[in-house]
Amino acid sequence: DIVMTQSPDSLAVSLGERATINCKSSQSVLYSSNNHNYLAWYQLKPGQPPKLLIYWASTRESGVPDRFSGSGSGTDFTLTISSLQAEDVAVYYCQQYYTTPPTFGQGTKLEIK
Amino acid sequence: QVQLVQSGAEVKKPGSSVKVSCKASGGTFRSYTINWVRQAPGQGLEWMGGIIPMYGAAKSAEKYRGRVTINADESTSTAYMELSSLRSEDTAVYYCARDREPGGTLWPFDIWGQGTMVTVSS
Repeated sequence: DIVMTQSPDSLAVSLGERATINCKSSQSVLYSSNNHNYLAWYQLKPGQPPKLLIYWASTRESGVPDRFSGSGSGTDFTLTISSLQAEDVAVYYCQQYYTTPPTFGQGTKLEIK
Repeated sequence: QVQLVQSGAEVKKPGSSVKVSCKASGGTFRSYTINWVRQAPGQGLEWMGGIIPMYGAAKSAEKYRGRVTINADESTSTAYMELSSLRSEDTAVYYCARDREPGGTLWPFDIWGQGTMVTVSS
């Protein structure tokens, strides 16, 4: 199985500041035939199901605010929130869907400083 | 807009089984993979398995093979996940989630059920 490792485990950022979460996969999730990275980001808030934010490492899901962006390729990826809002407090997970079983990172808890 | 609605919370004894349902409404059901993902208290997300209703054959994570049964009823647009030989470590919220695109090629999960809390306790 591909192991996904996120850093940091938790993060406190001031409102309006940038938040950066990293994700590393134990093997490349870049499919060379279509040049897509099979990497997604989810947001999980208490009492709610996960919400898909980003897929193909950098494609924003419909309706997701443009302050959320994803980058990276191969084995190293980043989720960036450009200007933190109060409603962004959540746990964020990366996921690889390159191969079965799809696997998730351990999660990064984002709080307001 | 497709919605996935799951069955209600369950309390089970160790050694018993639980069956969780996931009913789709408002869109196509049969050609999309329906996945099952769980989150134990204080833990992360874990994929358990999935099924494409039109094909019927389910896949499951090696960890759950022999204990999990995933199937689907196209006539009612409902997927099911049954977990047997329950132990306290199976206490978790169980989600169904649909692949973003149909056909079975690997995709992220864009539509999720509301979650079903399963508590295993003597």
